Amino acid sequence: LAKTTQPISMDSYEGQEVNITCSHNNIATNDYITWYQQFPSQGPRFIIQGYKTKVTNEVASLFIPADRKSSTLSLPRVSLSDTAVYYCLVGQNYYNQGGKLIFGQGTELSVKP
Amino acid sequence: NAGVTQTPKFRVLKTGQSMTLLCAQDMNHEYMYWYRQDPGMGLRLIHYSVGEGTTAKGEVPDGYNVSRLKKQNFLLGLESAAPSQTSVYFCASSYGGSSSPYEQYFGPGTRLTVT
Repeated sequence: LAKTTQPISMDSYEGQEVNITCSHNNIATNDYITWYQQFPSQGPRFIIQGYKTKVTNEVASLFIPADRKSSTLSLPRVSLSDTAVYYCLVGQNYYNQGGKLIFGQGTELSVKP
Repeated sequence: NAGVTQTPKFRVLKTGQSMTLLCAQDMNHEYMYWYRQDPGMGLRLIHYSVGEGTTAKGEVPDGYNVSRLKKQNFLLGLESAAPSQTSVYFCASSYGGSSSPYEQYFGPGTRLTVT
């Protein structure tokens, strides 16, 4: 089971690029890396998923080095509405993982004006 | 298209009482999940289901039971509530059947207090 380590909190200002790094030293060959965003009093929302190199969508980029022991979620030009908790998950689907896909404690991002 | 809905939104129970939380999804997803979220703990998986009629234990299954009699519904039961089960409960659903973890769609949550 791949354990993930993220910073507990980060601060940023509007318009800046924010990079949140997640460490997963014992990632398995078939594991994927997935990031979720959670606002207060809401369920988490999927942001992005990747296996290796770089993945980009309309809201974020995910950078994964060749050894896959870490990954970085990049949020370009953050706004106040990006203030949320961000979770990094590592694993396969539930059928293969035996129900052990774990969210972890997440990174609380605070964006200031 | 309502996505994932949860009933009820709030509930207060006395120790020893029982209750059932209902989760419904209208996306024809195979997989469904129940999580609990406590302050500073992130989300922890209670039980999950990979299809109608199947259930499996997650990380923290003790004190809970589940049933998936219909594909669109996933029920979470507390037979004898304890104060330690005070939490926010989230249901989620996703497609299934491949090696990559499909995007999970979450419900709005149920805030349960056990006194």
